[in-house]
Amino acid sequence: QFTLRESGPALVRPTQTLTLTCTFSGFSVGLDALCMSWIRQPPGKALEWLARIHWDGNIYYSPSLKTRLSMSKDASKTKAVLTVANVDPGDTATYYCAGSYGDCGRFDYWGQGTLVTVSS
Amino acid sequence: QSMLTQSPSVSGAPGQTVIISCNGSRSNIGAGYDVHWYQQFPGAAPQLLIFGNNQRHAAVPDRFSGSRSGTTASLIITGLQVDDDAVYYCQSYDDSLDRSLVFGGGTRLTVL
Repeated sequence: QFTLRESGPALVRPTQTLTLTCTFSGFSVGLDALCMSWIRQPPGKALEWLARIHWDGNIYYSPSLKTRLSMSKDASKTKAVLTVANVDPGDTATYYCAGSYGDCGRFDYWGQGTLVTVSS
Repeated sequence: QSMLTQSPSVSGAPGQTVIISCNGSRSNIGAGYDVHWYQQFPGAAPQLLIFGNNQRHAAVPDRFSGSRSGTTASLIITGLQVDDDAVYYCQSYDDSLDRSLVFGGGTRLTVL
């Protein structure tokens, strides 16, 4: 059973850096074929893909947010971390991590999401 | 502005068939990239419904099917049920955005 869980602050002040962590389990074999992405959804709006990491090393970002995003995996190899620099109220959204195994172009498994509000 | 365009809403009565379209361009669907579909209920995370244009994800009823032709993909739902009331998103790659992953704007299906 694959599970993903997002964690991070519920409230962030404008101009601060937001750090989100995705903890996953159940992907026990051949982690090199694993892809993890971050996706967000502002209240009442559509999904927006932000970044993905291929567990063999490559990282890709949304061109519109590239200068503010950084994604990495931690040494335990069971966490994917996203930082969003210089946040503003437009970054208020539910942030999801999602994963797939073998096909990095889709999202087979999703976390429950974590709502982040940017406000002073 | 989504690179993949979906109608904001569609409706149907129980038992009917609805088609949800996803209109792209030569840089995404028309480039031959697979289209995937997700179902999202209010307050819940999206779930993969159809992958690779027409393959049903685990436990998805065969009332749901998908197709792709040219620059358009479609999600077809037959025998509509009240439980199908949700928002549906298409998703693919896009060459014009450094092969980014892109979503459609979503279609709200209301089962009357």
